Amino acid sequence: VRLVESGGGLIQPGGSLRLSCAVSGFTVSGNYMTWVRQAPGEGLECVSVIYSDDTKYYADSVQGRFTISRDISRNTLYLQMNNLRAEDTAVYFCGSSGFYYRGFDLWGQGTMVTVSS
Amino acid sequence: AIQMTQSPSSLSASVGDRVTITCRASQGIRNDLGWYQQEPGKAPRLLIYAASNLQSGVPSRFSGSGSGTDFTLTISSLQPEDFTTYYCLQHYTYPWTFGQGTKVEIK
Repeated sequence: VRLVESGGGLIQPGGSLRLSCAVSGFTVSGNYMTWVRQAPGEGLECVSVIYSDDTKYYADSVQGRFTISRDISRNTLYLQMNNLRAEDTAVYFCGSSGFYYRGFDLWGQGTMVTVSS
Repeated sequence: AIQMTQSPSSLSASVGDRVTITCRASQGIRNDLGWYQQEPGKAPRLLIYAASNLQSGVPSRFSGSGSGTDFTLTISSLQPEDFTTYYCLQHYTYPWTFGQGTKVEIK
């Protein structure tokens, strides 16, 4: 069972990035999954959650700019990030729970996003 | 949004000490709360779900309690690997919110 994030990097303000979380050992469909971020020296922020029924939620700070999705054929979770701001600079982690939410017990290693000119 | 006030923000303790960390929600959240441990540069690790349920594989020195607005994480006897940072996370309503974290340091 493994989650591997990719897609981070250095991007200018106003730019876009798509983060990927490739899953092995279980299917992305039908599970609660999340993107959580941590700015340098700061605490954790739950950016987005997708429920097992595909309901999607976003933090107020990213609403309208970020989109969570999953591709069953690729068994991958995505986070499309548009109109990036300096305050989006953070390590982004993907996490997974089961069909019934019992906490996010599986996590990737994180991918760094730096928004700077 | 529900605010999760975690206290203390940091504490100093010794190996073998009993430690308690609290999270207070700005409104009732039933038992929709989890506790996570995070080492520097690593992903969070789930310790407790639904306020008081020990995640599989987590040592029994960790325990959680509470319901409604007040929750506690207790480490009954601190071990060297426990000196790191802990967060609570409420999932009662969106946006799901973390506490600001508690750093447990060696005295």
